[in-house]
Amino acid sequence: GAGVSQSPSNKVTEKGKDVELRCDPISGHTALYWYRQRLGQGLEFLIYFQGNSAPDKSGLPSDRFSAERTGESVSTLTIQRTQQEDSAVYLCASSSPLGLAGSSPYEQYFGPGTRLTVT
Amino acid sequence: RKEVEQDPGPFNVPEGATVAFNCTYSNSASQSFFWYRQDCRKEPKLLMSVYSSGNEDGRFTAQLNRASQYISLLIRDSKLSDSATYLCVVNRASNYQLIWGAGTKLIIKP
Repeated sequence: GAGVSQSPSNKVTEKGKDVELRCDPISGHTALYWYRQRLGQGLEFLIYFQGNSAPDKSGLPSDRFSAERTGESVSTLTIQRTQQEDSAVYLCASSSPLGLAGSSPYEQYFGPGTRLTVT
Repeated sequence: RKEVEQDPGPFNVPEGATVAFNCTYSNSASQSFFWYRQDCRKEPKLLMSVYSSGNEDGRFTAQLNRASQYISLLIRDSKLSDSATYLCVVNRASNYQLIWGAGTKLIIKP
């Protein structure tokens, strides 16, 4: 079946502009995660959605960052008034807390990411 | 102290050698453990889960020591294609989030 998809794959924007990144999780996966990865660095958790529960926004670095998810489908991550330090790869992952086909409910499957460059 | 700690490397290893990665975690309540692999400029991909009894998948062997809160990954007969960053990952016991190590970079040389 289809994996996690993200769009755009690359985004170059000017400092101060807003950007919107999109993630389509694996069908049936109720949990969705956004991460940021700066060049040469590890994964930085941003936000977590689980079904209809309130999202865990504890990783969002500032109020310029926000994310939405409609039901158990598409999610968008919005960065307002972008800064150069926002340049990174933004990764989306999904998982099925019920576990599918014997897999662990904690296993996360990633999209290819959106490479954001703020000039 | 970081919640998940790994040797950052890089490990430079000749092709055919055996290489071992170590990882420690701080939350004794964690129950699920994984090794992910991340190729340069690519997304992380699940390599294998780590079970209490230890598990093997071809050339890869993962071990868990709960008493010491320690996880290992052994790669035997290393191939050039094994070159990547290996991420140690542990579940956050309170929810479905995962805690990610910073990764160990492996470079296999011909």
